Amino acid sequence: DVKVTQSSRYLVKRTGEKVFLECVQDMDHENMFWYRQDPGLGLRLIYFSYDVKMKEKGDIPEGYSVSREKKERFSLILESASTNQTSMYLCASSFSGFGGYTFGSGTRLTVV
Amino acid sequence: QQQVKQSPQSLIVQKGGISIINCAYENTAFDYFPWYQQFPGKGPALLIAIRPDVSEKKEGRFTISFNKSAKQFSLHIMDSQPGDSATYFCAAIARNDYKLSFGAGTTVTVRA
Repeated sequence: DVKVTQSSRYLVKRTGEKVFLECVQDMDHENMFWYRQDPGLGLRLIYFSYDVKMKEKGDIPEGYSVSREKKERFSLILESASTNQTSMYLCASSFSGFGGYTFGSGTRLTVV
Repeated sequence: QQQVKQSPQSLIVQKGGISIINCAYENTAFDYFPWYQQFPGKGPALLIAIRPDVSEKKEGRFTISFNKSAKQFSLHIMDSQPGDSATYFCAAIARNDYKLSFGAGTTVTVRA
């Protein structure tokens, strides 16, 4: 079964910490995405990557960075975690030209 | 600016009833329209999708109706069951684009 795997289901971090969220897909997809999901705000795109080492900002990139050194892995980095980054983070991947995403199960991050 | 407008924000339906969620778009370049289903604590999963060359697609109790001239599409859940209680997102993407445009989501509650 094809999968997008997020390394942690739940994380609790302290304000100011550098936080790494990892995502791995086994479908040889070109595109990978990071979203955050908050009640009433839907899915908001943070960053996406359409190829190895390529990245583009989404709608809410402030306070985040990403890394894609290998095709199957896309990391989201919170440079200095803040309480307003407490959220559900979702990783997704897709083939170019296909349109549909496969999502991971999400990481619920709490910053205290 | 949200490219796909989704309504209602939430709905409650009795077991056996019909749930209807509506979406509208402006970008005529969109050519793939998926719906995602998300259960609490999980990532969204592709439920059903349609391309604009057909007006309706049915998979089990789930039907997409598509009106190209009105730039609207809707999801109908027939004979709604408590297990259908979830958040549903409509989405759209243009050919050769990377990013899906998501609606804001609809929380469906099916009462037994």
